[in-house]
Amino acid sequence: SQQGEEDPQALSIQEGENATMNCSYKTSINNLQWYRQNSGRGLVHLILIRSNEREKHSGRLRVTLDTSKKSSSLLITASRAADTASYFCATVPYSGGGADGLTFGKGTHLIIQP
Amino acid sequence: EAQVTQNPRYLITVTGKKLTVTCSQNMNHEYMSWYRQDPGLGLRQIYYSMNVEVTDKGDVPEGYKVSRKEKRNFPLILESPSPNQTSLYFCASSLAGGPIYEQYFGPGTRLTVT
Repeated sequence: SQQGEEDPQALSIQEGENATMNCSYKTSINNLQWYRQNSGRGLVHLILIRSNEREKHSGRLRVTLDTSKKSSSLLITASRAADTASYFCATVPYSGGGADGLTFGKGTHLIIQP
Repeated sequence: EAQVTQNPRYLITVTGKKLTVTCSQNMNHEYMSWYRQDPGLGLRQIYYSMNVEVTDKGDVPEGYKVSRKEKRNFPLILESPSPNQTSLYFCASSLAGGPIYEQYFGPGTRLTVT
């Protein structure tokens, strides 16, 4: 069942600007992961943030997690044309390490205008 | 190069004709899974495998079979494909413990069933 919901569904910004995407989820989680998908291609893992973490950085990416609000945000700074892609959040439920898979949201489609 | 490979990448077939989509990973990962991606529905897990000879149903297993006879391979079998199985399919793998770790996705198989 779908748990993560990204917002906005689509975002268009100018190259060099920052892009912020949000993800909300419904149940307690073990971790939350962000993935990028270029058109019709495989997903690429960006960042994993655990439920006991509040913020994580990787290069131009910054992810925050607020478990009290059941939400996360992905910030891409100094955007580039190559950042044009769909971005998905995916949650892993807090169920003692259950093996069933990630629950993906429907994604935010980001377009970087040159 | 560490990767997940899928074959074929594109397939057009007719209703009822059995087909197999292969998935192979070279990272010695214990956990493997299959997802399908449909417009408006996002990614949904079909089946997963914690290790050799251990498989289990995901969210949408109807009409699919899998097997895990070797650690590196996790084929997806459609015994009698139907048009509602037209979709984009992704195989993924990760370390033991599955979704609590980052997932490595294959490039996808675009299947059309007429």
